[in-house]
This record gives sequence, C-alpha cells and structure tokens, in this order.
Amino acid sequence: DGGITQSPKYLFRKEGQNVTLSCEQNLNHDAMYWYRQDPGQGLRLIYYSQIVNDFQKGDIAEGYSVSREKKESFPLTVTSAQKNPTAFYLCASSWRIGDSPLHFGNGTRLTVT
Amino acid sequence: QKEVEQDPGPLSVPEGAIVSLNCTYSNSAFQYFMWYRQYSRKGPELLMYTYSSGNKEDGRFTAQVDKSSKYISLFIRDSQPSDSATYLCAMTDGDYKLSFGAGTTVTVRA
Repeated sequence: DGGITQSPKYLFRKEGQNVTLSCEQNLNHDAMYWYRQDPGQGLRLIYYSQIVNDFQKGDIAEGYSVSREKKESFPLTVTSAQKNPTAFYLCASSWRIGDSPLHFGNGTRLTVT
Repeated sequence: QKEVEQDPGPLSVPEGAIVSLNCTYSNSAFQYFMWYRQYSRKGPELLMYTYSSGNKEDGRFTAQVDKSSKYISLFIRDSQPSDSATYLCAMTDGDYKLSFGAGTTVTVRA
C-alpha cells in the first residue's frame, strides 16, 4: 500500500529539547511538505521541498529545520527556539509543487511541557 | 480578513440528510480547489479535486466552484454516521502554497 508514514504518533518532550519528527513516503512523489495544525486554525505551512537536497521556508519556519537527503524522507526538527511547539504536525507529499493535490500522513501530536 | 473563510460549525444532521458545506475566498487567482475529510487524530484525506469553475460528482459527493462569486461548496448526499468528521477546503493559484479553511465539524446522527 502506498502512503505516508509519520512517526511517532505521540511525542512528549521537555522545554528546551530539540525533537525530530519522521516522515517517509512510498508514493514516489517529488514534493514534500510539513504543516502545523492548531485548533480553530487552518493548516499552516512550515517547510516544503520540491526535490532532493532542496527545501524552502513556508509561512512559519522560525524555530524549525528540515532536511531532504532522500526522495522518500523529509524529517522535521522542532528546535528549542520554537516558542509554541505543542501542536499536531502533518507531513504531506504531491507529484509536484503547484497544481497537484496533497496527500497527508496521519500526523504526530507533539506535547512540550 | 482571512484568505479563505469557512464556517467552523458545528453542523449536526440526521442520517440520510444532505450535508452542505462551503468556503469563500478573496484571492481571484485561485484556480485549483480541494476538499479534505479529517477524522479525529488523523491526517486529512483528499475527497475532491477540481479545477476552475463548475461541478464535479463522485459517488455521494458533489463539489461546486463558482469563481465569479469566489465561493465553493461540497454536498454530501444520503449522509451516514461514518461521514462525521471535520471537512477542510483548500485552494491554490498553482504556486507552492495551499490556503486552507479552518474546517467545519460535521456530526451525522444515527
């Protein structure tokens, strides 16, 4: 079955620690994305990547970092510089940037205390 | 003003009713429109994808786009309890970014 796998489903961290969220896809999509979802708000774009070894900041990139060393993998690191890291994080992929619909993973719920 | 406005609901309907959802937007350059369904603690699932104005039907789902009014709709016929979820609209002008509505929470009562 093709799809996007995010792990872990739930993650708990202490304030001041960096944490990395995993995202793997086997859809052979070129483009990958990270979104953040907070209650009552639409999804907000953190980072996106069109191809391997290339990524761009989205609307809320501050306090986050990514890498794209392999086509199928796009991990997100939430650093201690992110002021409000507790949220539901969604990874997505698409054939290409722009007119291609996004397919989402099932998310990682990060709680920082 | 938000770029995409979507009534958060909640919307509660009896089983078998027609569910009507809509979004309005301000950017006239949007030309690709999507509807996603999101169950609690899950990722959004693509339901419908349309380009430009017009209607598209897929089973019990119908998506409508009216670009002149900057208004899109999703209709769910013969609604089932399994349709209980949050529905997100999304749209793009073909650039890298999707603009999402905040989502409408729907409950279908058995």
